[in-house]
Formats: sequence, structure tokens, C-alpha cells
Amino acid sequence: GAGVSQSPRYKVAKRGQDVALRCDPISGHVSLFWYQQALGQGPEFLTYFQNEAQLDKSGLPSDRFFAERPEGSVSTLKIQRTQQEDSAVYLCASSLDRIPGGQPQHFGDGTRLSIL
Amino acid sequence: GDSVTQMEGPVTLSEEAFLTINCTYTATGYPSLFWYVQYPGEGLQLLLKATKADDKGSNKGFEATYRKETTSFHLEKGSVQVSDSAVYFCALTGTGRRALTFGSGTRLQVQP
Repeated sequence: GAGVSQSPRYKVAKRGQDVALRCDPISGHVSLFWYQQALGQGPEFLTYFQNEAQLDKSGLPSDRFFAERPEGSVSTLKIQRTQQEDSAVYLCASSLDRIPGGQPQHFGDGTRLSIL
Repeated sequence: GDSVTQMEGPVTLSEEAFLTINCTYTATGYPSLFWYVQYPGEGLQLLLKATKADDKGSNKGFEATYRKETTSFHLEKGSVQVSDSAVYFCALTGTGRRALTFGSGTRLQVQP
């Protein structure tokens, strides 16, 4: 498809389990972003890749969160030893730009993660 | 750090009413400003943007003007439709940054 694709759309896990969320950006997009959106709130930045390089991970809330984009295309966000406070919608976005504030970010539909 | 404040919702209007959703920001330098919209059951979509002071972004009848003197980027539409019912997010990218900083969102409900 032409848009950003995220899978799975819904994920339910028990507290303490590890989860992996996938993002397939728009073909050719250099930049890839992960955001976390709690219920009733705006998205909050987690991490940013330019091609395969993770240039900013300042938003990752703890060392249980890990993201990678090994070939500069598909990205995976992994959460280890999940906690209930990790329940949220995880959004992926991609953009063409190498210049800050340039091209707009295009968002996927998100993965809704529920930790029981 | 950078932050965005927008009016709390829900905002409930009748069809053809005038819409204003207030947005103010705190950021150093010259941020780029955005409005994103999330329709029910859909992902976030860019509605409009402005990259420098006094720029006006517009799309689908919506407008917002980048006001540096008041650090504001209010969203307006002259005549809303039922199909405009959605959650609207004001956002910015700070100078030299690529990540978006979002407000908490404003839900708009338009009644026929």
C-alpha cells in the first residue's frame, strides 16, 4: 500500500511478557518516528531514525523499550517485561526529509497495546 | 522544553457554525507549526502547516495563521459540516528538531 503500515493493529499481553511492534514506512522515506499515545492525550515522541541510524531516543521511557531499523526500512519497537503503564497506542510515522521541519510526517493507524 | 496547549473539548457546534480551536505554544527559536486531524477509526492526518511567522496554512476550508507575537496558531473554519467531526491536534517541531510535540487534542462534534 501507499501509506505507513503497522502491525499488529491490536496486541494484548500479560504483564511481564515481551512484545514487538512492527512499522513499514512509505517506500523511500528517510525518517521514521515512533510515538506513544495514551488514552485522551496527544502522541508523545519516543525515538527517531534517519535511515538505519537511531539519531534520537530521548523519549524512550525506560531501558525496557528498544527500537531498531536495521536496513533503513522496516522498524520494530520492542518492549521487554511489559507493565500496565505501557498500555497505549503506539504510532509510527515516516517522512522524506533530512531537514528539520521540512516534509510532513505521515502516520500509520497505530498498534493498540493492552497489558493485563 | 517545547510545549503546546490547546483548548479542551469537546467542542459541540451545529452545522454551518463558525469554528475556532485555540492553540498556543512555547518553543525557542522558530518552530514549524501543524494541525493534524484524526477522524473516527482513522489515523492521524496532516491538515495544514506553517513554517514561518505570519504564514497562513489552509486546507479543506480550515485556516490557521502563525502568530509569533502571541505564540499562537488558532484553527478556524467559517462553516463546519458533520463530516468535520474528529479530534484535532496542534503540534510543532522545534528549531533543529524533527520530532513533533503535540497538544492534548480537541474533540469536535458537529450536529446536523
